[in-house]
Amino acid sequence: GESVGLHLPTLSVQEGDNSIINCAYSNSASDYFIWYKQESGKGPQFIIDIRSNMDKRQGQRVTVLLNKTVKHLSLQIAATQPGDSAVYFCAETYQGAQKLVFGQGTRLTINP
Amino acid sequence: DVKVTQSSRYLVKRTGEKVFLECVQDMDHENMFWYRQDPGLGLRLIYFSYDVKMKEKGDIPEGYSVSREKKERFSLILESASTNQTSMYLCASSLGLAGGRTDTQYFGPGTRLTVL
Repeated sequence: GESVGLHLPTLSVQEGDNSIINCAYSNSASDYFIWYKQESGKGPQFIIDIRSNMDKRQGQRVTVLLNKTVKHLSLQIAATQPGDSAVYFCAETYQGAQKLVFGQGTRLTINP
Repeated sequence: DVKVTQSSRYLVKRTGEKVFLECVQDMDHENMFWYRQDPGLGLRLIYFSYDVKMKEKGDIPEGYSVSREKKERFSLILESASTNQTSMYLCASSLGLAGGRTDTQYFGPGTRLTVL
């Protein structure tokens, strides 16, 4: 069945550097992808999404890149701040599914 | 902004008790979801609902039931709580787009349930 996974379970970056969190998916029918941020003790918070008719989408300090050829998704965070410390999940689904498949998450820690 | 609220942040119950977890969303969303989140297992879908009085089983419905009597409220029920149901429970809602297009789910803060 389909699965969504992350290349690295943990990522440690210096404050001010850019962070890149990766995600691989296996269902070639997936056409909608979401990144969530989950801080300790809180529910996942929507960050940014992208549909399969795009390969890049930018938000405030975040960019999502989609490579459908290799079924890869990434989240780039510019100028990482202490408040970015969290677990980041990717999720994928396809038209009509109404169910999201979540990756296991990557824990991002910021070094001062 | 979408707001999804859950009735309790922390809950402690005893084995065999009936447990109700309540979720309310204020954005007139059609779809609502219940997940549990466990270390190493990620988010797993328990039940979801597309409309009032409608429900669909998710990936792990055993030991749970749900109720959706009003559009804004979706309840998760543990008929007889067991220790393996100790977990973080997350409620989510989504708008429900026409034509079956999938849309973003917005999550509540979670309820950490401990069953002794």
